[in-house]
Amino acid sequence: SAVISQKPSRDICQRGTSLTIQCQVDSQVTMMFWYRQQPGQSLTLIATANQGSEATYESGFVIDKFPISRPNLTFSTLTVSNMSPEDSSIYLCSAAKQGAPTEAFFGQGTRLTVV
Amino acid sequence: LAKTTQPISMDSYEGQEVNITCSHNNIATNDYITWYQQFPSQGPRFIIQGYKTKVTNEVASLFIPADRKSSTLSLPRVSLSDTAVYYCLVQNAGKSTFGDGTTLTVKP
Repeated sequence: SAVISQKPSRDICQRGTSLTIQCQVDSQVTMMFWYRQQPGQSLTLIATANQGSEATYESGFVIDKFPISRPNLTFSTLTVSNMSPEDSSIYLCSAAKQGAPTEAFFGQGTRLTVV
Repeated sequence: LAKTTQPISMDSYEGQEVNITCSHNNIATNDYITWYQQFPSQGPRFIIQGYKTKVTNEVASLFIPADRKSSTLSLPRVSLSDTAVYYCLVQNAGKSTFGDGTTLTVKP
């Protein structure tokens, strides 16, 4: 298994600003992902964080809005840029180790409110 | 990844067995079927994963027919603390596509 820690756990931000969310995994993992969960809804995959290269974004998400870094096998960051109230959501980090089957683990999430 | 379809909500009573069925008609050969549980203000928690036939662990069983186009999560003897949202998803190399989830409410 893997334990995932996210920082901050919650934040209230002014519109137009940016917030960087950190994700730390307690063991080396092959894959890391970022999801968004809007209130009362399911999780939506934002992107796959690739070590040492640009993240792979899902349809509807772009690098300028959600830049992602992954400098090593245990750490990743997601930045929510130029925030608006529509960005208010829970952002979750997920990690998985190579293998079949592959179990994905999730952090507790970062609850972001944009005012 | 294939999208999944499951009932929006289910009610049950303490001590009963609960079966939640999920449809994943477009599942690919390399996809695994995984179920997660989520409580409010927490990240999803892994329950069980399978590829075909039946898988059982200490908390649940997962039944997958031969065509793999559906699956059923079975929770034996639920308690009030099992009230949560349950997500059925297909997973490939850790990447997941979440459906809308089933809100299970366990009543006393």
